[in-house]
Amino acid sequence: GNSVTQMEGPVTLSEEAFLTINCTYTATGYPSLFWYVQYPGEGLQLLLKATKADDKGSNKGFEATYRKETTSFHLEKGSVQVSDSAVYFCALDEPTSYDKVIFGPGTSLSVIP
Amino acid sequence: DVKVTQSSRYLVKRTGEKVFLECVQDMDHENMFWYRQDPGLGLRLIYFSYDVKMKEKGDIPEGYSVSREKKERFSLILESASTNQTSMYLCASSLPGTGKRTGELFFGEGSRLTVL
Repeated sequence: GNSVTQMEGPVTLSEEAFLTINCTYTATGYPSLFWYVQYPGEGLQLLLKATKADDKGSNKGFEATYRKETTSFHLEKGSVQVSDSAVYFCALDEPTSYDKVIFGPGTSLSVIP
Repeated sequence: DVKVTQSSRYLVKRTGEKVFLECVQDMDHENMFWYRQDPGLGLRLIYFSYDVKMKEKGDIPEGYSVSREKKERFSLILESASTNQTSMYLCASSLPGTGKRTGELFFGEGSRLTVL
């Protein structure tokens, strides 16, 4: 079945460091890919999405490119801030009639001043 | 602003009790979902509903049931709570109806359930 794999956390970075969180997926068909973020004490919220191969999603300085050849959707940010400390989930949507989304295990990021 | 509200942030129940988790959305969304979130496992789909009175099993429905009597409300029911149901429960909703997908889910803040 469809699945999402993410790099193990937790990840700890200093402020202004470069961030990469790796994500790979297994899917039949052509899913859309997503990054969701969960800030402490809150529910998840959509960070960015890409709906087809070579699309780049971007938001709040974060970027991810849909790479069909490597089945990857790695999240990057050039300069992280303390406020980026959160759990990041890579996800894909199943090719069904409904919005069934499959999530990866999440990667916890801590940014220290 | 979109809003998904879960009735209880924290609950403590005893083994064998019946537990109700309530979720309300004010966005007129068609789809609603219940996930559980556990460390190292991410989010796993328990049940979802694409219309009033309609429901579909997700990946881990055993031990749970749901109810959707009104479009804005989706309830998760643990008929007889067990310790392995201790978890964070997340409700979500999305706009599209049948045959449409966006993958854009709106989540509540979660209900942390502890079963003793």
